[in-house]
Amino acid sequence: GQNIDQPTEMTATEGAIVQINCTYQTSGFNGLFWYQQHAGEAPTFLSYNVLDGLEEKGRFSSFLSRSKGYSYLLLKELQMKDSASYLCAVMAGNYQLIWGAGTKLIIKP
Amino acid sequence: SQTIHQWPATLVQPVGSPLSLECTVEGTSNPNLYWYRQAAGRGLQLLFYSVGIGQISSEVPQNLSASRPQDRQFILSSKKLLLSDSGFYLCAWSSGERHTGELFFGEGSRLTVL
Repeated sequence: GQNIDQPTEMTATEGAIVQINCTYQTSGFNGLFWYQQHAGEAPTFLSYNVLDGLEEKGRFSSFLSRSKGYSYLLLKELQMKDSASYLCAVMAGNYQLIWGAGTKLIIKP
Repeated sequence: SQTIHQWPATLVQPVGSPLSLECTVEGTSNPNLYWYRQAAGRGLQLLFYSVGIGQISSEVPQNLSASRPQDRQFILSSKKLLLSDSGFYLCAWSSGERHTGELFFGEGSRLTVL
């Protein structure tokens, strides 16, 4: 079967760094995506990894290891507005997106 | 620029009543269109996707249906709602020119079936 695993909830302090992990098992792989979703709102695209390594975009970075079926999203200099759910999604071999349940990130002052 | 809009934003319906959620996209042509449902604490569940007018693929057998009467219009319907249909419904589009997981979502429609 196809499966995406990520922690249900994480807590971090404003100004700190947090790493949200995602592991996956899918039939084929055509890329991994991270989305941010604030409560009651629609998800918005954050990052895309298809090759191994780190992709940096401002305060957010995303890492991929295809051999390990593993990715993480790294958020630096946390701000209160970063409180949201972070969704990991993998595009499988048939180009369908498989979604994780999301990690709810709580930022404390 | 491209925009996507879906409505209504909030809906409270009795069991057995019909449903119609509408989604329109502007600023792009021949998009791939999607309907997702998100239940609390669960991942996005793909309900339907469409690569063109009149072309609908159903991912989950249920009492919902979808139609694409125009290139940039996608409609989610039900003839008789069930309690289990409650949830947050999201319409999304992606570029039809290539396979991409970069989806652009509408504002969402929260459905409560009583």
